Amino acid sequence: NAGVTQTPKFRVLKTGQSMTLLCAQDMNHEYMYWYRQDPGMGLRLIHYSVGEGTTAKGEVPDGYNVSRLKKQNFLLGLESAAPSQTSVYFCASRTWNGVNTEAFFGQGTRLTVV
Amino acid sequence: AQTVTQSQPEMSVQEAETVTLSCTYDTSESDYYLFWYKQPPSRQMILVIRQEAYKQQNATENRFSVNFQKAAKSFSLKISDSQLGDAAMYFCAYLNAGGTSYGKLTFGQGTILTVHP
Repeated sequence: NAGVTQTPKFRVLKTGQSMTLLCAQDMNHEYMYWYRQDPGMGLRLIHYSVGEGTTAKGEVPDGYNVSRLKKQNFLLGLESAAPSQTSVYFCASRTWNGVNTEAFFGQGTRLTVV
Repeated sequence: AQTVTQSQPEMSVQEAETVTLSCTYDTSESDYYLFWYKQPPSRQMILVIRQEAYKQQNATENRFSVNFQKAAKSFSLKISDSQLGDAAMYFCAYLNAGGTSYGKLTFGQGTILTVHP
């Protein structure tokens, strides 16, 4: 039982390059999220999904795209990376049993765009 | 739009003392949850406590308790008998459990807590 796994853990990109971050969860959760964490800014929501095949924009969606083709995977894409996208990215998935709920997070991906 | 505000970038407390971290939120929804998460230097996110908006009773988890003021849209975290292991970044979070932004989970800016021995 791995929980939430993010791939890769570290990456350095050149400006203009593209990449995809993979988030995989083995807990059968419906809800999944992508955040970025920057000093003094807290965790800012990029995109989220409330079920397989669904996606919705968060607070800072520009420059990112997402897909949720399979329930267990939530992909975050950067089509043309910019230095402003240098950040630590966190994925989360969330339980929901009709009463209680809790979000579980991956270990984070440190992305540097040069 | 839902927003979460933590107005204290940094707080400090002496070991064994009590500290309160502040959080306010803005929403027009009636169905929601509030959380406090802890992030130690390892970057792992750990759930500290959860509050359902429909419950009037404040949630407690051992040394951690909240003061949930629904009308004021305030959700503070009290840590009693502070321990060195409590040192971390603390995030307040809001989950929309209904309405057009159903499932949206928003975090505040975080408060860095330092515990002095």
